[in-house]
Amino acid sequence: QSALTQPASVSGSPGQSITISCTGTSSDVGAYDYVSWYQHHPGEAPKLIIYDVSNRPSGVSDRFSGSKSGNTASLTISGLQPEDEGDYFCSSYAGSTTLIFVLGTATRVSVL
Amino acid sequence: EVKLVESGGGLVQPGGSLRLSCAASGFSFSNYVMHWVRQAPGEGLVWVSRIPTDTNPPNYADSVRGRFTISRDNAKNMVYLQMNNLRVEDTAVYYCANDVAYRIDSWGQGILVTVSS
Repeated sequence: QSALTQPASVSGSPGQSITISCTGTSSDVGAYDYVSWYQHHPGEAPKLIIYDVSNRPSGVSDRFSGSKSGNTASLTISGLQPEDEGDYFCSSYAGSTTLIFVLGTATRVSVL
Repeated sequence: EVKLVESGGGLVQPGGSLRLSCAASGFSFSNYVMHWVRQAPGEGLVWVSRIPTDTNPPNYADSVRGRFTISRDNAKNMVYLQMNNLRVEDTAVYYCANDVAYRIDSWGQGILVTVSS
């Protein structure tokens, strides 16, 4: 598995909820509960917003939540706000010596 | 505050070499596994290499093994990526990142490497 599959773009109106999927395989997403999600504004360092499928680091809004079913993980942003615009990508531990982590193709979130 | 700052990128011809550096601060560097991840233009992020905290060997993606070498200097809180025999397809933004319990936790802002004649 060279990359986790995400939709290229997702959009929503302020206050709405959106969900971003992240599809892998039984060797990565399906094998480990080590899925992370990151928010990335171009030119800045990516920021961890979800780890271990559904845990939020300290300081991250509870509007962000994560889940997993089989080989697909999901990130939900509730109460969408203008500052949520940006790129979001997932990552999964893959456990191979030649592929420690596999990362997602990234999703551009637009707030209409 | 965790800070990771990459440097050493630039334009290099195919077949050339470049050494990326990453300065770490704000955490106990010697206790953390470190990674390099890259993103080619218009493409997704790809894991490149990992260096453990101890004497265990580093790990490399198939696409760079034999050409890239990761190293660290715990006294200076630095991690490096020596890139040799560079190819056009190595053109990417390279990110330095630290590893916490099976996840990439903190990232740098990235540094651009362009391989072109």
